[in-house]
Amino acid sequence: EAQVTQNPRYLITVTGKKLTVTCSQNMNHEYMSWYRQDPGLGLRQIYYSMNVEVTDKGDVPEGYKVSRKEKRNFPLILESPSPNQTSLYFCASSLFRDRGIGEQFFGPGTRLTVL
Amino acid sequence: GIQVEQSPPDLILQEGANSTLRCNFSDSVNNLQWFHQNPWGQLINLFYIPSGTKQNGRLSATTVATERYSLLYISSSQTTDSGVYFCAVEQDSGAGSYQLTFGKGTKLSVIP
Repeated sequence: EAQVTQNPRYLITVTGKKLTVTCSQNMNHEYMSWYRQDPGLGLRQIYYSMNVEVTDKGDVPEGYKVSRKEKRNFPLILESPSPNQTSLYFCASSLFRDRGIGEQFFGPGTRLTVL
Repeated sequence: GIQVEQSPPDLILQEGANSTLRCNFSDSVNNLQWFHQNPWGQLINLFYIPSGTKQNGRLSATTVATERYSLLYISSSQTTDSGVYFCAVEQDSGAGSYQLTFGKGTKLSVIP
């Protein structure tokens, strides 16, 4: 089954304790991206990757890191989480179209709480 | 950056009614996508529609890129249509911006 998987689905942690949220897709998509969703703000892009070893900042990259060592995986790293990073996080992937990004397929989301 | 505005922010419908959701954007775009987020939080791609009209069952979408807006039509609404509808655009910066900007969504509640 074609899908985007994220782990963990729920996480409660404390300020300053490094964590990684994994994202994996089995559709051979070149493009992968991370978003955070907050009430009243919609979805905002954190980082994106056009292919292996090619990543770039989105609109809200502060406090996050990413890596793309393999095509299928795109982990999101919070090296020193803070309470303002409490949010619902989504990973997504797509092929490229003639004019940019193709249809985005989303993972199930990771609800993160930082105390 | 590009601005994306959706209207209305909230919509309550009786089952069986029709509705139109609107997405306005402030600059030229490479593509536009509509998504549905169900009450359990799952995000599903409904349409990839940089221009023109597409239909999928009771849903259809039209994008008029020259006038910088897109419309999502829902006909004969069902309770399973409830949730939040987002539009998202990739700004046309010449070489492909590769960034997707979302509107804040329209929350739809369909009541029996």
